Order: sequence, then structure tokens, then C-alpha cells
Amino acid sequence: EIVLTQSPGTLSLSPGERATLSCRASQSVRSRYLAWYWQKPGQAPRLLIYGASSRATGIPDRFSGSGSGTDFTLTISRLEPEDFAVYYCQQYSSSPLTFGGGTKVEIK
Amino acid sequence: EVQLLESGGGLVQPGGSLRLSCAVSGFTFTNYAMSWVRQAPGKGLEWVSAISGSGAATYYTDSLKGRFTISRDNSKNTLYLQMNSLRAEDTAVYYCVKERQSTGYFDYWGQGTLVTVSS
Repeated sequence: EIVLTQSPGTLSLSPGERATLSCRASQSVRSRYLAWYWQKPGQAPRLLIYGASSRATGIPDRFSGSGSGTDFTLTISRLEPEDFAVYYCQQYSSSPLTFGGGTKVEIK
Repeated sequence: EVQLLESGGGLVQPGGSLRLSCAVSGFTFTNYAMSWVRQAPGKGLEWVSAISGSGAATYYTDSLKGRFTISRDNSKNTLYLQMNSLRAEDTAVYYCVKERQSTGYFDYWGQGTLVTVSS
């Protein structure tokens, strides 16, 4: 099983700042089969990024994903008020599908 | 518009059973693999089970040890999760999720249904 470790656990930032979230895998994620989701309180998660760097439909270009192998990054170039949420990475390289523990981006 | 609507959650005693349903619309159901993902209160996401578009192939997370069974009725556009021998640690919101083109990631999520296992 591929274990995904997200860091930091919590990121305290102000609107307009840049956010950098990390997702590290216990073994290589083949073909960059990594997705990112975001979840706001009381809501279901929503797809942000797939294939490590492809934005899902309707996702603004301030969100970008990068990385390969065991190290992946989600970057939000300038935080908007609606971006404060919990972010999860997920690998679909091998079964079982696994998620990281999440990074909460909160307003400083 | 894609819609996934779960039902069947509720309070159940330890050792009991529950069947979750997910009625879908807005896409050709039989063409897509589906999964259940759960989230314990205040915790992260955990993939539970998946089923191929035809229903011929099913997959489970190891920790379930045969207690859960995923199925689908393509004539009714409905996904199911039969949960037996429920334990307190199964308490969670259960999300029905659509897999994008048999890839393993999820482009649509239902709103979730809460399962509470408690005496």
C-alpha cells in the first residue's frame, strides 16, 4: 500500500499570499497518477487536479500541481477567500487507492 | 448535470447491517466505474470499495475483511454498499463517487450519507 504523507498539517496564510502544499508518497507513484481534492466544511470533496498537474474542469489557473515519483506539490499562487479549505492528495497508481491525511489552509 | 444521491445511512447497533444506495443521473452509468469513499468524523478520506462499469469486477480495502459488498444495478442507475457486522470504527460519512474514465480518481462526489454505529 502506498502511504501518502501531507505537510504541513495546517497552513495559516492571508488572502493574496502563496500557498505551497506537499504530498510525499512511501513509494513511487507511476505515471504521475496523483490527484488533489479540496473540501470545505460540511461539503463533499471536489476534484482539483489529476495526473499530478492537470486542472479539473472549472478550476482557476491560480491552482497548479507539480511533481513526480514520490514528491508532489499543490501551489495556490494567490489565495482567494474561497480557497480556505482542507486539501487532500490521492494516488491511483496502485490498489488500494489511498489518500493523504490532508492539509488545512486557514486564514491567518 | 451529473447527480449522485446517497441514501440509507442512519444509526445502527454494533454487529448490525445497513445497505447504502446511490442513485445517479446525468451520465451513462454503465460506462463508468464507481466507488465508495468514507470519512470518519473530523478525519480524512478513506477509499472503501470500487466496482467496474459492468459490475463484473469489484475491489475492497483490505481492512474490511469481507464485511462489505459493493454492487450495482445498471438498469436502475443505482450503486449499493451492503455493510454487515458493523463496528464503531465504521462510523463515517459515506460518499458515492464516480470514477473518471476508469482512471482511479474521482470527478464527481455525492453529498454523503452518515452511518453511525453505536449502542
